[in-house]
Amino acid sequence: AQSVTQLGSHVSVSEGALVLLRCNYSSSVPPYLFWYVQYPNQGLQLLLKYTSAATLVKGINGFEAEFKKSETSFHLTKPSAHMSDAAEYFCAVSDPGGYQKVTFGTGTKLQVIP
Amino acid sequence: GAGVSQSPSNKVTEKGKDVELRCDPISGHTALYWYRQRLGQGLEFLIYFQGNSAPDKSGLPSDRFSAERTGESVSTLTIQRTQQEDSAVYLCASSLIRGVQETQYFGPGTRLLVL
Repeated sequence: AQSVTQLGSHVSVSEGALVLLRCNYSSSVPPYLFWYVQYPNQGLQLLLKYTSAATLVKGINGFEAEFKKSETSFHLTKPSAHMSDAAEYFCAVSDPGGYQKVTFGTGTKLQVIP
Repeated sequence: GAGVSQSPSNKVTEKGKDVELRCDPISGHTALYWYRQRLGQGLEFLIYFQGNSAPDKSGLPSDRFSAERTGESVSTLTIQRTQQEDSAVYLCASSLIRGVQETQYFGPGTRLLVL
């Protein structure tokens, strides 16, 4: 069975500081990995995804994530936080075989302090 | 183009009543998913449709939950004899499967409150 663990349900950073949101996965096969963002009162939208190509994946709004098989991690980073980055972020894993059931983490709420 | 839409956006019901939640996926998307997001918790997979068939119903919490999809388009999630623990945001997503890579596009959700 596949699963993801997001460390830290709440993360606070200062505006301009590095954003690091942690995600570790468990999967019996090489997975596909996703980061989704949910802004207040909005639906989920895809930030970026890893599908076995380049291990460093660049997404929208300056975010990127690196797939590290040895660490079973897919942490999300952004060099400089902006106030508009305040949202909830979800890491998700999918088995590339079969019918693509996606399992989500519990989410990390990012607060950006001015 | 239009995204995934869900209705109603909010639903308040009394314990024991039945509710129907509707999802209109993006036109042409063959896959449709239902998720539940309880307050303070992550997304919980409920059911997946490929076309009008549901290969995976493993996430449905109980036999009070059912879902159907018609015309490879609209899907309805029905909760019978609602309980307070059913209160959550119910999210629908659709995707256009090409090979094994897919991006799910999410609707805004239906907030269900069972009193």
